[in-house]
Amino acid sequence: KAGVTQTPRYLIKTRGQQVTLSCSPISGHRSVSWYQQTPGQGLQFLFEYFSETQRNKGNFPGRFSGRQFSNSRSEMNVSTLELGDSALYLCASSIQGFSTEAFFGQGTRLTVV
Amino acid sequence: DQQVKQNSPSLSVQEGRISILNCDYTNSMFDYFLWYKKYPAEGPTFLISISSIKDKNEDGRFTVFLNKSAKHLSLHIVPSQPGDSAVYFCAASVLGGNTPLVFGKGTRLSVIA
Repeated sequence: KAGVTQTPRYLIKTRGQQVTLSCSPISGHRSVSWYQQTPGQGLQFLFEYFSETQRNKGNFPGRFSGRQFSNSRSEMNVSTLELGDSALYLCASSIQGFSTEAFFGQGTRLTVV
Repeated sequence: DQQVKQNSPSLSVQEGRISILNCDYTNSMFDYFLWYKKYPAEGPTFLISISSIKDKNEDGRFTVFLNKSAKHLSLHIVPSQPGDSAVYFCAASVLGGNTPLVFGKGTRLSVIA
């Protein structure tokens, strides 16, 4: 069974640009969540999608958005990139949502210069 | 407001000895707790979990203890091995609540040979 796949693995963008990250969950998993990891801040929750609907949202500005497709694949978009957006972005999938263990992808390392 | 706290950013332990990683939480609604392990350039991997109906859960060298009255949990690794060197994240959720996992900031464990 394939794990959670995130693409691309690494990305360098310029301040002000926008970026789209992709996540393919484990087959059969309907919930996809996104987290941002920065040094010293742990994993900060961005949002969760379940059956193409955003079900939970963390405390991030509106520049961060996402969507989920009918095949459960999810994309995350960040517009007007800032230097502080440099982080590891992690996607996690679970069968029907949280409260049990989530399975993480390897992450996308975004560097904003 | 940090609901899950890992107050030790780092811990060094000699190979063969016990590693004890601590985690405190403030939200009394949390009733399911998880530990994840993360190597550099990889996503977090689920390690062990415990629900609030238990005070201990064991899986091989890993044991998690939960003290509900103190809102404290700990992860014991015995014996510690060099391959255990990683960042360990504590996470909490409300079982069945469909709310996102809330993570601590992590503790970096170094097991010295």
